Amino acid sequence: DQQVKQNSPSLSVQEGRISILNCDYTNSMFDYFLWYKKYPAEGPTFLISISSIKDKNEDGRFTVFLNKSAKHLSLHIVPSQPGDSAVYFCAAPKRNQGGKLIFGQGTELSVKP
Amino acid sequence: DAGITQSPRHKVTETGTPVTLRCHQTENHRYMYWYRQDPGHGLRLIHYSYGVKDTDKGEVSDGYSVSRSKTEDFLLTLESATSSQTSVYFCAISESAGTGERAFFGQGTRLTVV
Repeated sequence: DQQVKQNSPSLSVQEGRISILNCDYTNSMFDYFLWYKKYPAEGPTFLISISSIKDKNEDGRFTVFLNKSAKHLSLHIVPSQPGDSAVYFCAAPKRNQGGKLIFGQGTELSVKP
Repeated sequence: DAGITQSPRHKVTETGTPVTLRCHQTENHRYMYWYRQDPGHGLRLIHYSYGVKDTDKGEVSDGYSVSRSKTEDFLLTLESATSSQTSVYFCAISESAGTGERAFFGQGTRLTVV
């Protein structure tokens, strides 16, 4: 039962263009969503998050959009840079169990110069 | 960067042998977690701890046990390693369990069971 899904295993984007990474979820009880970024041979690092009471959160080049009716969130990176090449995971914590995260499968982003 | 150290970073072991992975933190965070990462599955929670000697199972706990005798150390033991436990293991910590609390991850341990 994959409650958080990332259906695109990979994405390739040209430097300077927009990267859009998508995530779908099935559990309406999720209150919060997080995006983590992972480089090879390193642990995931927190990137950006959004509360379910919001529909957008922005931090520099990164913006996360939440569409609750569609149970869908997306991460936009504008402009994309080669250093953004990594695997991106969306995740959601079980209610009141903040660190117990349910992760999507991940999307590997490749930003080409 | 959060002070989380995992050891060893790489290990190859034989089927049927016991293996212990260690997670050490210097942040004095109460909550600690063990995840495994596998292709097509993202990260999945194995066990977690909400304090010294307080642990509980995650979604993929079969074949694993944990112990936490000190705030700073969280050990993951594979009692009898199997090939299906070949994976990358990540330890994580968080200060609280509140919704929105972000977790910080260690650099991972790559375990190969042959």
